[in-house]
Amino acid sequence: QQKVQQSPESLIVPEGGMASLNCTSSDRNVDYFWWYRQHSGKSPKMLMSIFSNGEKEEGRFTVHLNKASLHTSLHIRDSQPSDSALYLCAASYQGGRALIFGTGTTVSVSP
Amino acid sequence: DPKIIQKPKYLVAVTGSEKILICEQYLGHNAMYWYRQSAKKPLEFMFSYSYQKLMDNQTASSRFQPQSSKKNHLDLQITALKPDDSATYFCASSQVQGGANSDYTFGSGTRLLVI
Repeated sequence: QQKVQQSPESLIVPEGGMASLNCTSSDRNVDYFWWYRQHSGKSPKMLMSIFSNGEKEEGRFTVHLNKASLHTSLHIRDSQPSDSALYLCAASYQGGRALIFGTGTTVSVSP
Repeated sequence: DPKIIQKPKYLVAVTGSEKILICEQYLGHNAMYWYRQSAKKPLEFMFSYSYQKLMDNQTASSRFQPQSSKKNHLDLQITALKPDDSATYFCASSQVQGGANSDYTFGSGTRLLVI
């Protein structure tokens, strides 16, 4: 079973619309969550990190974290065609291990 | 200028051959990693090094061997190549392994095709 689970697998959003992505860890020993974005044919780039319960906003992107439910979500408002990409959730676990990535959510923004 | 250099960008190899994938980072980071990404599987962790020491190995096969000759250098040797090894191999680095300062910078990847 994948340790970091993301949903939905893919998402089509109209330009200017809101995209909502989910990520849950199946391992309670999770320390931190990150969100990465990977455009087609490119390498993943860190988008946002969240370490404390609550919400964090950077421009059109908002991340929520609920540590008790081991769940984080990413919301993209006013979606643009350039937001079309694979969004990867990553988690680090106690013991200082390497990041584990989820399977990703493919977001397609339709003009 | 790219901060993590991976060579080569593209690689075509014959089944049974051996190849070395190169990775150098110029970020002053102390931890380096190898991940693999293919259409069949998500971004899959392979190895992690911290201060030039192997910290974690999640590959099931001994055909994959990391090599760290310098602190900012982590190569990946793959022997007895199989078509299933076809994937994009990403090198990444972070300031430290684990903790809040372990956000990664990825290289541009090496696309390996085994025929």
